[in-house]
Amino acid sequence: SAVISQKPSRDICQRGTSLTIQCQVDSQVTMMFWYRQQPGQSLTLIATANQGSEATYESGFVIDKFPISRPNLTFSTLTVSNMSPEDSSIYLCSVVGSTSGEGDEQFFGPGTRLTVL
Amino acid sequence: KNQVEQSPQSLIILEGKNCTLQCNYTVSPFSNLRWYKQDTGRGPVSLTIMTFSENTKSNGRYTATLDADTKQSSLHITASQLSDSASYICVVSASFKTIFGAGTRLFVKA
Repeated sequence: SAVISQKPSRDICQRGTSLTIQCQVDSQVTMMFWYRQQPGQSLTLIATANQGSEATYESGFVIDKFPISRPNLTFSTLTVSNMSPEDSSIYLCSVVGSTSGEGDEQFFGPGTRLTVL
Repeated sequence: KNQVEQSPQSLIILEGKNCTLQCNYTVSPFSNLRWYKQDTGRGPVSLTIMTFSENTKSNGRYTATLDADTKQSSLHITASQLSDSASYICVVSASFKTIFGAGTRLFVKA
């Protein structure tokens, strides 16, 4: 299994500011994923962070709004830029790892709860 | 269109009772199906993972079933505890896509 930590665990931010969320994994992984979970909703994939190349963004998400860094195989950051109240969500980091006998399994970090005023 | 639908949307049960959560999917080609438990304000934690050939998988008081023919899965919780109060998310993976259900919100009352 993979152990994932995120910083900060929560934050309250003012409209128009930016917040950078950090994700640290205890093992080297090729791909890291960033999800958003709006209140009462399920998870929506924002982008896939690949080490050594630009992140791949899903429809509806753009690099200017959600820039991502992936400096090495155990770390990634997601920045939420020029925030508005609509960005209030839980942001989750995720990786895929192999579970013995069960193939690939997806592991999630504890999430960062963001509130934008 | 690839979809994962869960029912009920929410459920309230008394402590000690059993319950069953449903997941129907139209994801193709099917790779695997996973059930996650998500406590409020936390990230999802895996309960079970099943491939095409598996039709039952247990993890303690949690038992998941899969019918690949009808594209249905269920999660059965036995002898519920207060700590089972959480959202339960069904996740279905195709070759290059992972589809998340909206989840069932379970409340276990004393």
